[in-house]
Amino acid sequence: AAGVIQSPRHLIKEKRETATLKCYPIPRHDTVYWYQQGPGQDPQFLISFYEKMQSDKGSIPDRFSAQQFSDYHSELNMSSLELGDSALYFCASSLAQGTYTGELFFGEGSRLTVL
Amino acid sequence: GQQLNQSPQSMFIQEGEDVSMNCTSSSIFNTWLWYKQDPGEGPVLLIALYKAGELTSNGRLTAQFGITRKDSFLNISASIPSDVGIYFCAGQLTRAQKLVFGQGTRLTINP
Repeated sequence: AAGVIQSPRHLIKEKRETATLKCYPIPRHDTVYWYQQGPGQDPQFLISFYEKMQSDKGSIPDRFSAQQFSDYHSELNMSSLELGDSALYFCASSLAQGTYTGELFFGEGSRLTVL
Repeated sequence: GQQLNQSPQSMFIQEGEDVSMNCTSSSIFNTWLWYKQDPGEGPVLLIALYKAGELTSNGRLTAQFGITRKDSFLNISASIPSDVGIYFCAGQLTRAQKLVFGQGTRLTINP
């Protein structure tokens, strides 16, 4: 079965550069979530989209922005990168079922290293 | 904000033993999910719970959604080496809102 696809899997950037991560949800899923996970930490929620509209916002820095496109894929744009942005970034998708979220599946993640 | 307290933080067991871990919250959730994560990989969904009091099994795994909507537990029976990893509970209040994660339980199995 198709899973959540994230690209790139690995990314190395210099401080103050920009980076874009892409997420392709499971087909027919309408909700996308972005998470950041530092070493030894639990995933921290950044932002989510439902039917291409932002649905919830977490601890996402102002330097980051994201959107969900008409084909439901999503992109996370990160500017003015800092050393502390080095982390695993996960995308997850789900299919809303009424007021419930349904099963939420994660991608393999994009590892960002800022030098 | 919403917080999930997951315990224990780590477990060291013998192969074949049963495992139990739990999560508690100060606020209610309407969905509880349990994930397993291997180093450098994405969390893999194990069990999803949607109704208070619900008890659900997936092979050797059993999880329950607490009746108060503020807690959940995960049991693993007859552990095997591939059960090694970090287990996370996660709760969500409603559709498309943030999924809040517990701190994780690191499971180590001695052969």
